[in-house]
Amino acid sequence: AQSVTQLGSHVSVSEGALVLLRCNYSSSVPPYLFWYVQYPNQGLQLLLKYTSAATLVKGINGFEAEFKKSETSFHLTKPSAHMRDAAEYFCAVSEGGNNDMRFGAGTRLTVKP
Amino acid sequence: EAQVTQNPRYLITVTGKKLTVTCSQNMNHEYMSWYRQDPGLGLRQIYYSMNVEVTDKGDVPEGYKVSRKEKRNFPLILESPSPNQTSLYFCASSSTLGTGGVEQYFGPGTRLTVT
Repeated sequence: AQSVTQLGSHVSVSEGALVLLRCNYSSSVPPYLFWYVQYPNQGLQLLLKYTSAATLVKGINGFEAEFKKSETSFHLTKPSAHMRDAAEYFCAVSEGGNNDMRFGAGTRLTVKP
Repeated sequence: EAQVTQNPRYLITVTGKKLTVTCSQNMNHEYMSWYRQDPGLGLRQIYYSMNVEVTDKGDVPEGYKVSRKEKRNFPLILESPSPNQTSLYFCASSSTLGTGGVEQYFGPGTRLTVT
């Protein structure tokens, strides 16, 4: 069964610094990959998704992620962190069915002034 | 506005007192699902429904029930809540159309405390 591992339950960066949130997946077929963001007291919101069209995926709020099959990774990056990026981020993998999405444990991003 | 709504947002109850958390979506989605979120464990699926009158267990169904009598509604029922069901609950919906990689839309969450 497919699964996701997010490395680092907490990441802290300074405002303006690079954001890198790590996600590795396991899947028996070419996967669909997602990053969701959860702001305090809110539900999850889609940041971006990979559906095999292009390996570098751009999302909302300046985030992007690169699918690397050889490394089974889908790391999320943003060149310059902003205070409003402080949130919890979830990586998820699906093998194509509605019901088979599996989430990672989440990474909480803190942005220091 | 396209959205998934949940009620209540916050609930404190006692062990054994039956409760229902409602979920409704206005996007005409066929698929609906319930998750619980616990620290360090991410989101785990409780139950899902592919369409009206079609429901099935997810990864952690014990102690929960669901029903899908209408397309827009998917209530979560805890017949006899216990303290280990204290958690943050999310309802989600998505279309079953498309070739895969379908985005799920999430409700705002219900924080449940069982004492």
